[in-house]
Parts: sequence; C-alpha cells; structure tokens
Amino acid sequence: GQQLNQSPQSMFIQEGEDVSMNCTSSSIFNTWLWYKQDPGEGPVLLIALYKAGELTSNGRLTAQFGITRKDSFLNISASIPSDVGIYFCAGLPGYSSASKIIFGSGTRLSIRP
Amino acid sequence: GAVVSQHPSWVICKSGTSVKIECRSLDFQATTMFWYRQFPKQSLMLMATSNEGSKATYEQGVEKDKFLINHASLTLSTLTVTSAHPEDSSFYICSAPLAGANNEKLFFGSGTQLSVL
Repeated sequence: GQQLNQSPQSMFIQEGEDVSMNCTSSSIFNTWLWYKQDPGEGPVLLIALYKAGELTSNGRLTAQFGITRKDSFLNISASIPSDVGIYFCAGLPGYSSASKIIFGSGTRLSIRP
Repeated sequence: GAVVSQHPSWVICKSGTSVKIECRSLDFQATTMFWYRQFPKQSLMLMATSNEGSKATYEQGVEKDKFLINHASLTLSTLTVTSAHPEDSSFYICSAPLAGANNEKLFFGSGTQLSVL
C-alpha cells in the first residue's frame, strides 16, 4: 500500500536553530497536512497544502507541497522550547475521503541539552 | 480551526469491564469520524470509520465486537472497548474531517489514555 517516509525520525535542536523535516512517497498525493503532537494530546493541525508547489506559512512554520506531488517539507525557523514535540506529515491521495489519509512515522523534536 | 472534544482524557479500569470514549465535533457537523489507536513512539493507526446513520467500517484486523462504535448524531461518535484486557491499554484518538470547497482538513480530539489493570 501507499506509505510515507518521514525523516528524520528524531532530532535535537538548540534554541534559535532552524529545523527541517520532510516526507516522501512513491505515490502522488493531492493534499498534504502537517501536525504537531504534544505528549498525551491529540495531533494539532499546523499547515494544510492543496496544490503542487504551494508554499504556506504559519508563523515561524513554513511548509511546501512538492512539485512532483510526492513530497512535502516543513521548516521551523528560530526554534523555541515550545516547539518540542512530535511532528507528523499526512497525505491524502484524493480530494476527500479523509479515511484514506496516510500518516508518516513522525519526527520527534527535542532540545539539545 | 474546528474543535473536536474527546472524553475522558484518561481512564483506568479493571480487566473485563467496558469503557466508553466520546468524541464530539463542537462547532461543525461530522457525518464521518475516525478512531485511531497509537502506541508509544509510533504513528496513528486507523481502527475504524464511524458513519452517522449506518454501521462503522473497521480496518482489517480490528475486532468489531471488541471495539463497538456508535455514531448517534451528526456531532457525536462513541467507541466502547468491551471486556477490556491489559493488551487493550493504549492511547485512543478520534478525528473528524471538515470539508471546504475543494479540500478537506482533519481535526483531532485530545486523545484518551486507557490503562487496563
């Protein structure tokens, strides 16, 4: 079946650093969603992307819908302690039927001691 | 964004008892809701799709008699874990889609941590 490869699996950041993570697939997606999950909480939607090449920002977060429609990137600029958590990408192969949504394995962001 | 409310946040129960988890869309109607299970340090695994007015659709390997789903109204879906056992201990999350003109977003509840003793 369709799979999303999300990388990196985990990363340590220092406050103030920029962060990049991405998701790739061998299949085409028509929607990309990026979520953040804090411990013991449900995922919170950060950014939604609907068109190939689309670049969308939400504060210090910027996400892009890859031109090939097989990948997406999330960047966080000037990281702060509250950015710590797990980030999930999710892809929708169609324009609806959210049941078909596929999740990446997550990127765990931690603060470097 | 849209709000999905999930209760309880956590529950501890004895083996053999049943536990009900509620998922409500607070400011929009959801004819469909989704139930996920998440193990520590892993991604979300879809268990079933809850459909208002009809039977739920279960993913392969999920026991429908074990995980009873009821979509009582356009804003409420419930998941009942029947005769719970320790291996049912997990983090359960619901979600509901909010459709736009040519797009769709998926909003999640805050999750329920189930611990079966």
